[in-house]
Amino acid sequence: SAVISQKPSRDICQRGTSLTIQCQVDSQVTMMFWYRQQPGQSLTLIATANQGSEATYESGFVIDKFPISRPNLTFSTLTVSNMSPEDSSIYLCSVGMDPRDTQYFGPGTRLTVL
Amino acid sequence: GENVEQHPSTLSVQEGDSAVIKCTYSDSASNYFPWYKQELGKGPQLIIDIRSNVGEKKDQRIAVTLNKTAKHFSLHITETQPEDSAVYFCAASRTDSWGKLQFGAGTQVVVTP
Repeated sequence: SAVISQKPSRDICQRGTSLTIQCQVDSQVTMMFWYRQQPGQSLTLIATANQGSEATYESGFVIDKFPISRPNLTFSTLTVSNMSPEDSSIYLCSVGMDPRDTQYFGPGTRLTVL
Repeated sequence: GENVEQHPSTLSVQEGDSAVIKCTYSDSASNYFPWYKQELGKGPQLIIDIRSNVGEKKDQRIAVTLNKTAKHFSLHITETQPEDSAVYFCAASRTDSWGKLQFGAGTQVVVTP
């Protein structure tokens, strides 16, 4: 399985600011996704990060709030913009080789917004 | 879209006993069903998965069963150990949705010595 790292592992941010989260994989992968896990809750898909093109967002998530980049097959970033306390969550990236393959998750970024 | 329901939300078992978690899904086109274990402060870890052309799969103390007709699948953990204590999530996806996973709500499993 791929080794996935995320930076930062945790952060405490002020309301109105933005935070960019990085996801790095040790091998090239086809699929990269970003999920949100609110406190004590399950995982919700934010978007699919597409290499070299705009991300595909799920219902309820918009590019202005969660801009995503994926410049190559091993790296992606998620920005949480204009943060409010409701954005306090764990943000997770996941990767897979193809739609029929297993997805593996990174360790997550724990974000607290004050 | 797909909806995955998971039960129970919490499960307390004595060490050595078995634990069973059940999930149902709504989309008959779903064909991939993974189970993840999430320990406190960590990301979800895949523990077992099953595809729709298989009815059962085992890996040591863990097994998953799938009933396509009834659209439900279950995780079975035998001879539970304290290190099995964690939150377990079921999920479902379909090939033509490009691997997007729909997760259940999670089950908090507590194994008491």
